[in-house]
Amino acid sequence: QITLKESGPTVVKSTQTLTLTCTFSGFSLNTSGLGVGWIRQPPGKALEWLALIYWDGDKRYSPSLRTRLTISKDTSKNQVVLSMTNMGPLDTATFYCARVGHCTETDCFQVNWFDPWGQGTLVTVSS
Amino acid sequence: DIQMTQSPSSVSASIGDRVTITCRASQNIYTWLAWYQQKPGKAPKLLIYAASTLQSGVPARFSGSGSGTYFTLTISSLQPEDFATYYCQQAHSFPPTFGGGTKVEIK
Repeated sequence: QITLKESGPTVVKSTQTLTLTCTFSGFSLNTSGLGVGWIRQPPGKALEWLALIYWDGDKRYSPSLRTRLTISKDTSKNQVVLSMTNMGPLDTATFYCARVGHCTETDCFQVNWFDPWGQGTLVTVSS
Repeated sequence: DIQMTQSPSSVSASIGDRVTITCRASQNIYTWLAWYQQKPGKAPKLLIYAASTLQSGVPARFSGSGSGTYFTLTISSLQPEDFATYYCQQAHSFPPTFGGGTKVEIK
C-alpha cells in the first residue's frame, strides 16, 4: 500500500519561509521512473502544481514560483522536502504531495500524473 | 504553459443521470490527460489516465475519451458518491496544469 503524508507548520507569518515534509511508504525514490510532486489548493480554488523531484534527482519547478521554491529528497528516510520563501497571505492553501509515475507489475514509467496523494496540510499565512 | 479549460464549471444532476464534463487544452497534448475526483475536505483521487484508461478500483460508470485538444469525462449513471469536483490535468509538458474544476451537484 502506497501512502504519503505532509507535515509542517499550520501557520506561518508573512515574509517567512515555509518548509513542508512529505513522508511516504510503499515505494522507493530509488526506483527508476518515480517521483514526488507538490500541489497546492487555495481555499475554494483549483489545484496548482508547484514542484517535482524524480528518482534521479531531476527537479522541476513552476515557472511562476521558481525563484521561491526548493525541492529536495532524502531517499534513505523516504522523504521529500519543499521550501517556499517569502510567504504572503495569497499563499494560504492546502498543500499536497503525491507520487508521480506509473507502475506495472514489472516496471515503472515516468509519467506526470499524480497518484496517490497525501491527505494534505492547510497552511495559513498571517499578516 | 498549456491552458486547460473545463466546462461547465458546475452541473446539477439527479441520481441515475448521465453527466459529461469537457476539458480543452490550449495545444495538442495527444492523450496525455488525467482526470481526478475531489470530495470536500479530501485529497484528489486519480480516476482516469492516458485520457481513457480507468485507474484500478474506479467504477466502470466512469469513462474518458478524447485526444489532441478535446477530452470528455462521462459518468454513465450518477451515484450519490459521485457528487464531487472533477479536475482534468495535462501531463504532456511542463508545467503540469490543471483545469479549473467542475462541481457536480445534486439537483
